[in-house]
Amino acid sequence: EIQLLQSGGGLVQPGGSLRLSCVGSGFTFGNFAMSWVRQAPGKGLEWVSTLTAIDPTAHFADSVKGRFSVSRDNSRNTLYLQMNSLRVGDTAVYYCAKRRASVAGDFDSWGQGTLVTVSS
Amino acid sequence: QSVLTQPPSVSGAPGQRVTISCTGSKSNIGAPYDVHWYQHLPGTAPKVLIYNNINRPSGVSDRFSGSKSDTSASLAISGLQAEDEADYYCQSYDSSLDAWVFGGGTKLTVL
Repeated sequence: EIQLLQSGGGLVQPGGSLRLSCVGSGFTFGNFAMSWVRQAPGKGLEWVSTLTAIDPTAHFADSVKGRFSVSRDNSRNTLYLQMNSLRVGDTAVYYCAKRRASVAGDFDSWGQGTLVTVSS
Repeated sequence: QSVLTQPPSVSGAPGQRVTISCTGSKSNIGAPYDVHWYQHLPGTAPKVLIYNNINRPSGVSDRFSGSKSDTSASLAISGLQAEDEADYYCQSYDSSLDAWVFGGGTKLTVL
């Protein structure tokens, strides 16, 4: 069974930093692109970032470009999201997700989500 | 303003059939990139219902079906049940944005 277990998150002041982690199991982690998706309170799902498997190449939504970075440690089956210069508008539940094989593939497995609150 | 457009809400009585539309453009659905559909219940992780336009993952009820044509896609839910009440999202890839994009979401109410 595929599982994605997230950690990190919490309350941070505007301008602060936070790092989220996502540990995968039940699949060959290093073979799959991994992504972060968020949902702000009362809003819909928003794609945040994708890190491909082999290269790896990082992609970011315009809303976080230049402030967030993504990395992976395949030896630890772990995906990271480093969030800097956090804004109130970054407040959301963040999900990590495994992407099915192709570039346009769906997110076929999801973590449990972790709440990030940016507030003074 | 989402790149993929969905109706904010749909409703239907138990046993009825409803459809949720998802309209995109030539840089995403019409490119053509595949469309995927997710069900999202409050407090839980989203769950993929339909992938690559028409495919159902193992364990997803055959009451859910997907279709795609040109720059649009649809999710149909037949034999509505109270447990289907949730938010539904379409998703694709947009080559102009180099981004994976979601629709704004549709709230399904079972009357």
